[in-house]
Amino acid sequence: DIQLTQSPSSLSASVGDSVTITCRASQSISNYLNWYQLKPGKAPNLLIYAASSLHGGVPSRFSGSGSGTDFTLTISSLRPEDFATYFCQQSFTSPLSFGQGTKVEIK
Amino acid sequence: QVTLKESGPVLVKPTETLTLTCTVSGFSLSNSKMGVSWIRQPPGKALEWLARVFSNDEESYSTYLKTRLTISKDTSKSQVVLTMTDMDPLDTATYYCARTYNYGVGNHGPSNFDYWGQGTLVTVSS
Repeated sequence: DIQLTQSPSSLSASVGDSVTITCRASQSISNYLNWYQLKPGKAPNLLIYAASSLHGGVPSRFSGSGSGTDFTLTISSLRPEDFATYFCQQSFTSPLSFGQGTKVEIK
Repeated sequence: QVTLKESGPVLVKPTETLTLTCTVSGFSLSNSKMGVSWIRQPPGKALEWLARVFSNDEESYSTYLKTRLTISKDTSKSQVVLTMTDMDPLDTATYYCARTYNYGVGNHGPSNFDYWGQGTLVTVSS
């Protein structure tokens, strides 16, 4: 099974900051990597698919990059509604898997 | 408008079997680009993918839970059902169903979870 390791597990930032979250796969997964945002009590949201493609309706301050085993999610100019937990997920092979999550908190 | 809604018991006893239903609207379970997955999140922990069913009824499961899980769909009712046997308190979690969109070619190409239900919290306790 493919393991995804996210870092950091949590971070504190201020409104307007730029933050980067990393996701590393235990083997090459090409660009079959997606990113999701979770907020308590709400349905998760797809942000990025295929490592760098922005899902419809997602603000352009979210961006993704990477290929192979190393991937990043960047949120430029954090807004109050961006404080949430973010997960990466691979669809290269079944069983599908998620990273352990990164909680973005207000400093 | 695409929606998914989970339903099922909020409380189950250890050793019992959990049955969850996902009712979808806004798309057809016979669409070859789309499947439905079940995903869970224990309190304070990570998301865990459980199972997926494709439009042709092909199923796939978590390696660690496959002996306890069964996923099936009823296209005419727009429903996907997940059963999990031998429930344990460690199975306490919010259970989500999500549309699995195959943006590549075929069932085993790249996919994403583009729409999710709100989730249902299932507690396992005697």
